[in-house]
Amino acid sequence: GAVVSQHPSWVICKSGTSVKIECRSLDFQATTMFWYRQFPKQSLMLMATSNEGSKATYEQGVEKDKFLINHASLTLSTLTVTSAHPEDSSFYICSARSDSGRFSYEQYFGPGTRLTVT
Amino acid sequence: GQNIDQPTEMTATEGAIVQINCTYQTSGFNGLFWYQQHAGEAPTFLSYNVLDGLEEKGRFSSFLSRSKGYSYLHLKELQMKDSASYLCAVMDSNYQLIWGAGTKLIIKP
Repeated sequence: GAVVSQHPSWVICKSGTSVKIECRSLDFQATTMFWYRQFPKQSLMLMATSNEGSKATYEQGVEKDKFLINHASLTLSTLTVTSAHPEDSSFYICSARSDSGRFSYEQYFGPGTRLTVT
Repeated sequence: GQNIDQPTEMTATEGAIVQINCTYQTSGFNGLFWYQQHAGEAPTFLSYNVLDGLEEKGRFSSFLSRSKGYSYLHLKELQMKDSASYLCAVMDSNYQLIWGAGTKLIIKP
């Protein structure tokens, strides 16, 4: 199957600082990438969908100025949490999808990034 | 609106079988996925059904009835490592995944 990596796997930052999380598709070109957030004992919550070269589409209630998403290439998307606050502490997971070829339409998940804001 | 329903929690005994049900109402249907998620980890793919019927893969099998908006994940010969959350997700007409809240499966010795 396709492999998606995320970096870092965990990060601790101080309130008010910004954190960048990278998501890479290692062996396929990801037409679309998704960013999810998951709080303890809750299901995945889709934050935004990004297509390569275009602006991300944010879900209702997700602040686009706070969660900056850049999908600069077919193998890389980044999520930047700006001016992080303790309530942003969560498990952030990306997934990638190719809309054609062998891996079409299935979402492949990265291993997740645990963010703790102190 | 779009809705995925699955039980919040189930308990089963090691070596036994368990069936986790999922019902859905979505705008369009392009397949149903089951994912397994261990605590603190990302989901991992288990199965994909787009046509009615049963798909078997080792100890796991998944069933779909599109007319009933219903699927189940069947696990047999349960092992302690099967303790996890099982997520049902439907791909809608826009090829977006609509997620259920997940079923926490607890396996007891």
